[in-house]
Amino acid sequence: NAGVTQTPKFQVLKTGQSMTLQCAQDMNHEYMSWYRQDPGMGLRLIHYSVGAGITDQGEVPNGYNVSRSTTEDFPLRLLSAAPSQTSVYFCASSYSQETYEQYFGPGTRLTVT
Amino acid sequence: DQQVKQNSPSLSVQEGRISILNCDYTNSMFDYFLWYKKYPAEGPTFLISISSIKDKNEDGRFTVFLNKSAKHLSLHIVPSQPGDSAVYFCAASVRTTDSWGKLQFGAGTQVVVTP
Repeated sequence: NAGVTQTPKFQVLKTGQSMTLQCAQDMNHEYMSWYRQDPGMGLRLIHYSVGAGITDQGEVPNGYNVSRSTTEDFPLRLLSAAPSQTSVYFCASSYSQETYEQYFGPGTRLTVT
Repeated sequence: DQQVKQNSPSLSVQEGRISILNCDYTNSMFDYFLWYKKYPAEGPTFLISISSIKDKNEDGRFTVFLNKSAKHLSLHIVPSQPGDSAVYFCAASVRTTDSWGKLQFGAGTQVVVTP
């Protein structure tokens, strides 16, 4: 099992550009989520999904879109990048609603200039 | 407003001694707490958890203590080893059907274990 994979590892964008951060898991987990990590802030939930076709907003959803067409993939789209979106992004998954222990990917470091 | 706080951004401890990491929370509805460990350039990995019906949970060298009245939990690592050098995040959640994935994380504590 590869676990949770994220691509790219690093990305530099100019303000206003759009891009998609990819996330995939091969553990057949129903539940997937996206977090951002900023200095002094811990991890904050952006969006999450409880299964294919079902997504919901987390704590900091503005400026981001998600979709979940398959169990395996949960891409995060930045519609028009802003410097405030400079952060490290983590995708996570877990097997069931009873399991709060999430498996995290290695992260994508995004810089918006 | 951060509901989970780790007030010590860093901790230095000698190899073989005890590491004590602290975490405070403000939301009395939280009933499940987790600790994650993170190495540089990697994602966080789950370490240990505790439900609010318990006040202690052990897993090998790691023990988590929960004091609900004080809204405080702590992670003890005994004995500390060089491989324990990492950032440790405390997280909390309310276990309802609507709350999956809605973990509230603290800002993290950087632990450095010295020889």
